[in-house]
Amino acid sequence: GQQLNQSPQSMFIQEGEDVSMNCTSSSIFNTWLWYKQDPGEGPVLLIALYKAGELTSNGRLTAQFGITRKDSFLNISASIPSDVGIYFCAGHPYGQNFVFGPGTRLSVLP
Amino acid sequence: DAGVTQSPTHLIKTRGQQVTLRCSPISGHKSVSWYQQVLGQGPQFIFQYYEKEERGRGNFPDRFSARQFPNYSSELNVNALLLGDSALYLCASSLGQTSTDTQYFGPGTRLTVL
Repeated sequence: GQQLNQSPQSMFIQEGEDVSMNCTSSSIFNTWLWYKQDPGEGPVLLIALYKAGELTSNGRLTAQFGITRKDSFLNISASIPSDVGIYFCAGHPYGQNFVFGPGTRLSVLP
Repeated sequence: DAGVTQSPTHLIKTRGQQVTLRCSPISGHKSVSWYQQVLGQGPQFIFQYYEKEERGRGNFPDRFSARQFPNYSSELNVNALLLGDSALYLCASSLGQTSTDTQYFGPGTRLTVL
């Protein structure tokens, strides 16, 4: 089946720092979504991307749909303690259902 | 408006038992998908239902089954439970079944198999 790779697996940053994480696939995807999951809860949608090259912002979050359609990145600016959680990318291969990456665990140190 | 709701929140079963999980989608959404999330991993797709018909199935054994009702709510059934079935089961709803229909997740049902 489809495989998504996320990097880094985990990261520890200081409050106020910017964060960058990415997601890659060996196959072409026609939709990319970024979710955040807090412990014991379901994933919450952060940003949805539908076109190659698309750059979309949601507050301090910015995500881009890679030109090759095989990757996406998520940036968080000026991190705050509530940014702590696991960030998942989810790709939608054409004609198939969503595939989730393994997640990037973010910890924010005060 | 209410989001996706799931019941029960937590469930403890023993090996060999059967379990039924329930999901109510966002009002107006006609598609429901089920995912299994094992601790430390991303969600894995199990089923998608749209307009009461199965539209997608992931790589799960036949012990897993689901159905969607006329009001678009859905049930996931798992028979002959194994220890490895212990996981967070997530339901997601979307307006339709196409790739541009964003999925919104419920809080999940935590299943523990002893």
